[in-house]
Amino acid sequence: KAGVTQTPRYLIKTRGQQVTLSCSPISGHRSVSWYQQTPGQGLQFLFEYFSETQRNKGNFPGRFSGRQFSNSRSEMNVSTLELGDSALYLCASSVEAGELFFGEGSRLTVL
Amino acid sequence: AQSVTQLDSQVPVFEEAPVELRCNYSSSVSVYLFWYVQYPNQGLQLLLKYLSGSTLVKGINGFEAEFNKSQTSFHLRKPSVHISDTAEYFCAVRRRYGDYKLSFGAGTTVTVRA
Repeated sequence: KAGVTQTPRYLIKTRGQQVTLSCSPISGHRSVSWYQQTPGQGLQFLFEYFSETQRNKGNFPGRFSGRQFSNSRSEMNVSTLELGDSALYLCASSVEAGELFFGEGSRLTVL
Repeated sequence: AQSVTQLDSQVPVFEEAPVELRCNYSSSVSVYLFWYVQYPNQGLQLLLKYLSGSTLVKGINGFEAEFNKSQTSFHLRKPSVHISDTAEYFCAVRRRYGDYKLSFGAGTTVTVRA
């Protein structure tokens, strides 16, 4: 069974740009969550989607948004990038109320 | 809200020695507990989880953890480490019902030396 796939793995953007990250969950998993990992703040919850609906949202500004498609694939978008948005963005999928399976992450560098 | 405190930020250990990583949590509701490992440039891999039942939980790669409700702790142990266990380890907590987001500790970096 294929794991959680995140694309791109690495990307570099400049301040003010926007970025879209993609996540393909494990087949059959309808819940997709996103986490931000930075050296200073650690692992922080961004949001969770289930059946195309945002079910939970972390404490991030409105520049961070996401969506989920009918095939459970998810994207997250960050607009007006700031230097502090440089991070590893991790996607995780699960069946309802099950354990989270994480992808390898998308490493974003903002210059 | 739930919170997790990992009491050691770095743990150096010699190969074949035992290791214990300490984790305390705080929550006003019933929770599930997890330990994840992260190798360099990779995502998180689940080591083990406590959902209910026996308080001693065995996971992959020879790791085990003990849930102590009275002390609100979930310490991770391995009796004999290998060089390949060098990684960062995260303790995490999640509400048992309703909210599926994980709250993570700050992580413990384990460095195994020959």
